[in-house]
Amino acid sequence: DIQMTQSPSSLSAFVGDRVTITCQASQDISYYLNWYQKKPGKAPKLLIYDASNLETGVPPRFSGSGSGTDFTFTISSLQPEDIATYYCQQYDNLPRVTFGPGTRVDIK
Amino acid sequence: EVQLVESGGGLVQPGRPLRLSCAASGFNFDDYAMHWVRQAPGKGLEWVSGISWNSGYIGYADSVKGRFTISRDNAKKSLYLQMNSLGADDTALYYCAKDLRTVVTGQIDYWGQGTLVAVSS
Repeated sequence: DIQMTQSPSSLSAFVGDRVTITCQASQDISYYLNWYQKKPGKAPKLLIYDASNLETGVPPRFSGSGSGTDFTFTISSLQPEDIATYYCQQYDNLPRVTFGPGTRVDIK
Repeated sequence: EVQLVESGGGLVQPGRPLRLSCAASGFNFDDYAMHWVRQAPGKGLEWVSGISWNSGYIGYADSVKGRFTISRDNAKKSLYLQMNSLGADDTALYYCAKDLRTVVTGQIDYWGQGTLVAVSS
């Protein structure tokens, strides 16, 4: 199975800061990567699909990039409502979809 | 509005079975593949199983293969997960989730609120 790693596991930043999360796949997954936002007690929300495409209705401060094995997720200006855990997910190795371990984002 | 409402969770003894259900509304259920994804307490997300629109393609995580069975009833707009031989490691919040496509692509765009399964004696 394809293993996904994320770093950092958690971060704390000020409102307005640029936040970057990296995700690495154990093998080439092309662009078959999603990013999700998960808030406590809430269902996960799709933010980015196909590595860099913004889901409809998602604020443009969220973005994704990368291909192959290395991917980046960025929040250009952190907002209080962005407090959540963010997960990358590969869907290249169907049907065995795998998620990264998550990155918890807090406000300083 | 897409809605996915899970039910059937609860406290179950090790080794006992449990069946989860998911009622879908707000979209053409038989046009999309569906999934079950779970999250154990304090852990990350784990994909459990996926099924194509016509049940022609089904996949399972290695951790549940041979014990869990996914199925769907398009006439009832419902997704199911039959879970047998449950163990403590199966304790989790189970989410019903919708794929972007008719086939299983793994691209999940909508999730339910989840139903909690606790395996304990």
